[in-house]
Amino acid sequence: QVQLVQSGAEVKKPGASVKVSCKASGYTFISYDIIWVRQATGQGLEWMGWMNPNSGNTGFAQKFQGRVTMTRNTSISTAYMELSSLRSEDTAVYYCARGSRTFDSWGQGTLVTVSS
Amino acid sequence: DIQMTQSPSSLSASVGDRVTITCRASQSISTYLNWYQQKPGKAPNLLIYAASNLQSGVPSRFSGSGSGTDFTLTISSLQPEDFATYYCQQSYSSPWTFGQGTKVEIK
Repeated sequence: QVQLVQSGAEVKKPGASVKVSCKASGYTFISYDIIWVRQATGQGLEWMGWMNPNSGNTGFAQKFQGRVTMTRNTSISTAYMELSSLRSEDTAVYYCARGSRTFDSWGQGTLVTVSS
Repeated sequence: DIQMTQSPSSLSASVGDRVTITCRASQSISTYLNWYQQKPGKAPNLLIYAASNLQSGVPSRFSGSGSGTDFTLTISSLQPEDFATYYCQQSYSSPWTFGQGTKVEIK
């Protein structure tokens, strides 16, 4: 079955960077885009951007341009999302999901806490 | 960006009730509309895609309808496992945007 397994919770100081991984299994990794969505506590879902694992092409929401990087390692079917210049407002659960417009499988989420 | 507005923000209902949630887009999105269910501490789960298509494995008590700017998610007979938050998401134009969510609580 399709599965996306994310890395564990992180605590970072303001100004630092965080890199979250998302390991895919149960399907051909390069055949589907991977997207990232975040959710602050008690809040809604916010789409951050997408990556095509085959080409490495990416696209980001305007809000995150210049601060987010999405990469992949196809040999281990893993996608990565790195967010830099962290601030307290970036405290949230970060999810990876499969798909380009419709997201049919999701990772379990990674809590990133930004605190001094 | 396309704004998605759900109503109500929350509702209380009993097991067996028929529940309807509405989602409105700020511009026409044809039928490029998806619905997700999210339970506390869990990732969202795709229920309905392209406005009215049931995702594989999702119970048939869930249905979706609508086109253009107005959409509905209906649960025909609410079950205990359906108490959750529901989100709509437009897949018409990037950036893909979600509604603010509708929390379905036990009456």
